Amino acid sequence: DTGVSQNPRHKITKRGQNVTFRCDPISEHNRLYWYRQTLGQGPEFLTYFQNEAQLEKSRLLSDRFSAERPKGSFSTLEIQRTEQGDSAMYLCASSLGSGYEEGYTFGSGTRLTVV
Amino acid sequence: DQQVKQNSPSLSVQEGRISILNCDYTNSMFDYFLWYKKYPAEGPTFLISISSIKDKNEDGRFTVFLNKSAKHLSLHIVPSQPGDSAVYFCAASQRGGNEKLTFGTGTRLTIIP
Repeated sequence: DTGVSQNPRHKITKRGQNVTFRCDPISEHNRLYWYRQTLGQGPEFLTYFQNEAQLEKSRLLSDRFSAERPKGSFSTLEIQRTEQGDSAMYLCASSLGSGYEEGYTFGSGTRLTVV
Repeated sequence: DQQVKQNSPSLSVQEGRISILNCDYTNSMFDYFLWYKKYPAEGPTFLISISSIKDKNEDGRFTVFLNKSAKHLSLHIVPSQPGDSAVYFCAASQRGGNEKLTFGTGTRLTIIP
């Protein structure tokens, strides 16, 4: 297992199009997080899964955003009707348990550019 | 509402000297703090954490200090090495809050050879 994998690494899309990102966490990790990072800012929490259950969603996650984690394995994040303000780096992270002692393991992210 | 603040956007330190990165927080409910390091085009990498029941934690060249009364923590790197050049993020969490992290805006550390 080589860590958290995110695909694609880069996505350029036209405003109004839908996009979907995929995250494959470390296989034994039961917790999965999505964060968004814009230029000059730290990552901001979007949503959290424990196994297949989505337990929390940030207010940042408008109704155009949806995330799933079927069967508690990989996760997808879909953005519908993209806007220029959605341009950001989308980071996925996973952990076994709270992640306090070892930290989460982050993927390399998907950079979205909406033109 | 920036609950975790890193007031120094950048820091330059001579190789071999000590690097000190600072972080302040406002939410007294935070009880776990973590430092992450980020290289360009990569995700953040966990460095070290500290629980609010401690005031110091060490791991090799990295030491984190927590001053709860001042709501301040710092990361000391000694000796600093060129490979330490990266952006460092401070993050905080509240037990029972789904362990989501609230990050600061980061400090870009440059180690001068």
